[in-house]
Amino acid sequence: GESVGLHLPTLSVQEGDNSIINCAYSNSASDYFIWYKQESGKGPQFIIDIRSNMDKRQGQRVTVLLNKTVKHLSLQIAATQPGDSAVYFCAESQALNFGKGTSLLVTP
Amino acid sequence: GAVVSQHPSWVICKSGTSVKIECRSLDFQATTMFWYRQFPKQSLMLMATSNEGSKATYEQGVEKDKFLINHASLTLSTLTVTSAHPEDSSFYICSARDWTPGETQYFGPGTRLLVL
Repeated sequence: GESVGLHLPTLSVQEGDNSIINCAYSNSASDYFIWYKQESGKGPQFIIDIRSNMDKRQGQRVTVLLNKTVKHLSLQIAATQPGDSAVYFCAESQALNFGKGTSLLVTP
Repeated sequence: GAVVSQHPSWVICKSGTSVKIECRSLDFQATTMFWYRQFPKQSLMLMATSNEGSKATYEQGVEKDKFLINHASLTLSTLTVTSAHPEDSSFYICSARDWTPGETQYFGPGTRLLVL
C-alpha cells in the first residue's frame, strides 16, 4: 500500500529558533493528515491536523502546511523549546503504519 | 477529551508466562482500537486492528495465537501476550478511534514489557 514518509531522520535546532519538519505522502486521494509527537517512553500525542481542503492550519506555536500539488506537508514549530524535543510523525487519516519519524533535538 | 489509558504501564514477567494489557477509551466510544509494538529507536509497527464485537484483524507476520486481542466493549480492548519470551520484550501501544471513519487515532501512554 501507499505510505507516508519522512524526509529527515534527525533535526537539531537551537532553543528559540523555529523548526520545520517535512513529510511526503504518496496517496493523492488522502484527505486528512495528522501530526503526532512522541516523547521518549510515551505514546504518540496528537499535535495538529489538517484536511485536504485547506493548505494551512495554525495552532499554538505550531503550523501545518499542506501542498497537495507535490504531496508534501510540513510542521512548523515557532520558538522551539527544550520540551519540544521528541520524535514527530505525520500520518494520513487511514494510515495505520507510520514512517520512522523525525527526531527533533533542541539545544540550549 | 479523547483520553486513552493503558494498564499496566510496565510489566516484568518470566519467560513462558502470559501477560494481559488493557486499553481503555475514557471519554469516548472506540469502535476501533489498534495495537502497536515499538522497539527502541524504531517506529510504531501495527500488530492488529480490533473492532468492537468482532475478531481482530492481524497484520502479516503477527501470530494471532500468541497475541490474543479482545474488544468486548466500546471502551475496552485487551492484548494478551501468551507464553511470552524475551524477544517479545517491547513497548506496546494502543490507540482508539471513535465511530467516525477516518478520524484521528488517540494513543495510550504505552506499556513496557520486559520478559526475563
